Order: sequence, then C-alpha cells, then structure tokens
Amino acid sequence: DSGVTQTPKHLITATGQRVTLRCSPRSGDLSVYWYQQSLDQGLQFLIQYYNGEERAKGNILERFSAQQFPDLHSELNLSSLELGDSALYFCASNGEMDLEQYFGPGTRLTVT
Amino acid sequence: SQQGEEDPQALSIQEGENATMNCSYKTSINNLQWYRQNSGRGLVHLILIRSNEREKHSGRLRVTLDTSKKSSSLLITASRAADTASYFCAATKNDKIIFGKGTRLHILP
Repeated sequence: DSGVTQTPKHLITATGQRVTLRCSPRSGDLSVYWYQQSLDQGLQFLIQYYNGEERAKGNILERFSAQQFPDLHSELNLSSLELGDSALYFCASNGEMDLEQYFGPGTRLTVT
Repeated sequence: SQQGEEDPQALSIQEGENATMNCSYKTSINNLQWYRQNSGRGLVHLILIRSNEREKHSGRLRVTLDTSKKSSSLLITASRAADTASYFCAATKNDKIIFGKGTRLHILP
C-alpha cells in the first residue's frame, strides 16, 4: 500500500460526458502527479501540482483540467469525453526530498 | 515523443534465469528511475540512478546508466514467478518525468 488513494476505482460513462477523478496523496506529500495509461500510448504524464500550484504540464488535453486543494487532495476533470479517453488514470505523490513517486491504485475509465 | 523507450517490448524467461531490460532516452537527464507494474495496478518504484552514477544495486536488481549512449539497463537476477510484471523506465529532467512504454516480463515456471 503506497498511501496514495484514488476514487473511484472504476468509472463507466458515455461520450460527451464529464467526470471527476479524485486523488489523496500520501500524508505530508506536497506534490501530486496525474498520468494516463492506455494500451497504445503507454504511461503519459499529464500534469503536476505542488502545494496547490501547477508546477509542470505534460500531454494534457485542453478538455482535461486539474486542481489541488488546500488539504492537498487533487481532482482531475475530464470533459467532452471521447472513446479514446478510455484508460487507466493514475495519480502519484512525493515529498519535497523524494525523487521517487508513490502511485495510487488508479481509476479505470471506460467511455462507451 | 517519449523520453524513455524500453527494449524488448516483451520477454519470457525460465524461473531462475536473469532478465535484462534496456531503456534509451533522448535528452540529458537528472536521474533515471525504474518502476514495476503488476497487471492493472499502480506502479511501484524499484530503483533510482542519478546522472553522475554508473551502476547501482538493490537486492536482485542491478541498474546501469550510460549517459554518453543515453541508455540504461535493468538486470533482475535469479528471477522468480513474482517478478512477472511490466517494467518501466522513467527519465527525469528538472520537474518533468517521462515514462517509456514498458517491457512485459513473464517468468515461466
């Protein structure tokens, strides 16, 4: 158990809809990272937040957005969903002195 | 484009044999990490090697880094059934970390 939690575990929704994925980092970790893992694209870094502020941006679509709240939990919002958004979404966290990341169990999103 | 590219894409070996996976990356890095992922689960950090290191050991894991060739290798010695998983390298430069597509390792009984 990494100490990172993600909800929900599974999500099935229709094209055009909007969903919110939630992540709680390990206690004390200030950084949260979001990743998308699909079969054809592998693990893609989406975005990183540090103590409430956006720190780094990867291959995140404009239809996707994220935020980190004062209690350090983070949410990833996916809108106007397309079939190709079906994937596993992971969040990870680490502390200021950590180089390695601790991954949550993931949310499996299926868009039908 | 991907910073890290693992090779081979898939590998099947007999239990007890050694498994070697390679990773190449494109630009300079601060460090390179290896992660393991069991099917459908989150990634677990295995080992990190900094750009000024050439080799690192952790238990049955041995990682090498050749910055001149922009490549790294992960060796798992005396493989076990529990080592069956996907293995990813992740190249880190400043605040950005980019994962490769992974090597699927299958240990045969």
